[in-house]
Amino acid sequence: NAGVTQTPKFRVLKTGQSMTLLCAQDMNHEYMYWYRQDPGMGLRLIHYSVGEGTTAKGEVPDGYNVSRLKKQNFLLGLESAAPSQTSVYFCASSVGRDRGVTYEQYFGPGTRLTVT
Amino acid sequence: KNEVEQSPQNLTAQEGEFITINCSYSVGISALHWLQQHPGGGIVSLFMLSSGKKKHGRLIATINIQEKHSSLHITASHPRDSAVYICAVRSWTDKLIFGTGTRLQVFP
Repeated sequence: NAGVTQTPKFRVLKTGQSMTLLCAQDMNHEYMYWYRQDPGMGLRLIHYSVGEGTTAKGEVPDGYNVSRLKKQNFLLGLESAAPSQTSVYFCASSVGRDRGVTYEQYFGPGTRLTVT
Repeated sequence: KNEVEQSPQNLTAQEGEFITINCSYSVGISALHWLQQHPGGGIVSLFMLSSGKKKHGRLIATINIQEKHSSLHITASHPRDSAVYICAVRSWTDKLIFGTGTRLQVFP
């Protein structure tokens, strides 16, 4: 199993350009998440999904959109990139929550995005 | 004040030393996670615990729910343990709140 994979690993964008980050998992997990990691700050949740066809906003959703058309994929879109979106983006997935039991999250390798 | 505080922020050690990283939190939680992030950037879950103590190899994690405090211990540290260690707590609304991490460097 590949676990959680992210595409691309690195990207440089100019302000105003758009792009999509792809996250894929082969563990049949229900829940998927997008985080960003910035220096001196903890990981922050951008958007998440608790199942195919569903998405929800996290802590810092502005400037991002997501889609979960297939259970195994979770896409993060930047419609008009801004320098403030320079960050490392991590995708994660988990079994989710079953009868009150919380399961751990499995993280992808990250995507380093620079917006100039 | 952050809801999850880790100390120290940076830690250096000689190979073989016993290491302790601390995590304090201020919210009610259903579970606490310890994660490891290597220089290459990947994040791996080390422990998830809601009470007591867990051990995996040279790593030990403890949690005191009443004091809202957790510790991660590394026995007989090795240079390959060099990484950033991240504490995260899961709130009762299932939100994960992350600490800013402790950067550990172990020298031979």
